[in-house]
Amino acid sequence: GESVGLHLPTLSVQEGDNSIINCAYSNSASDYFIWYKQESGKGPQFIIDIRSNMDKRQGQRVTVLLNKTVKHLSLQIAATQPGDSAVYFCAEPGNQGGKLIFGQGTELSVKP
Amino acid sequence: DGGITQSPKYLFRKEGQNVTLSCEQNLNHDAMYWYRQDPGQGLRLIYYSQIVNDFQKGDIAEGYSVSREKKESFPLTVTSAQKNPTAFYLCASRDGRDGSTSGANVLTFGAGSRLTVL
Repeated sequence: GESVGLHLPTLSVQEGDNSIINCAYSNSASDYFIWYKQESGKGPQFIIDIRSNMDKRQGQRVTVLLNKTVKHLSLQIAATQPGDSAVYFCAEPGNQGGKLIFGQGTELSVKP
Repeated sequence: DGGITQSPKYLFRKEGQNVTLSCEQNLNHDAMYWYRQDPGQGLRLIYYSQIVNDFQKGDIAEGYSVSREKKESFPLTVTSAQKNPTAFYLCASRDGRDGSTSGANVLTFGAGSRLTVL
């Protein structure tokens, strides 16, 4: 079936530490994955995506890792800052129409 | 600036009333989507439209209706048939119909509309 799940609903880290947010997906045929950040009361914002033919992709302070063997992806945030506090969602494509299937989300809290 | 505008940001409704949420985009995107978000949960798809004058039901379409008369606009009506309408509603758009090209897969979201039923 189509589902995307997250291992942990909340994550608390110290400012300056690295954060790792995990996501499990079920559809082995998904050819891309997207990470979004949602701040309180706002719409989700695109962070980074990765295609299924890659196992790693880096952006500015963020890295996404994809392990197709165990259907797992993670978002790593380096030197976490208070502005990184938000809910993070992973998403994979639905079966048609370009729609995305979202996981439940992980709430990241950064302690000063 | 190109983007998606949702209005109103906050809306209160009495039981039995229909309400319409507006979604306008100036990104020249073909596809538009409506998602519902409940507290502490992910986004669930209500309706989507890949082209003008055409739309499809998502996972939770019951109690909702949409129209797509213009490329720029995709309003959502929450009808009295929706039993639990209190939620945060998010509109999104995407460039490219089949999502097969790089960058075409990403949905761009509006700021959301929070509907509360009194």
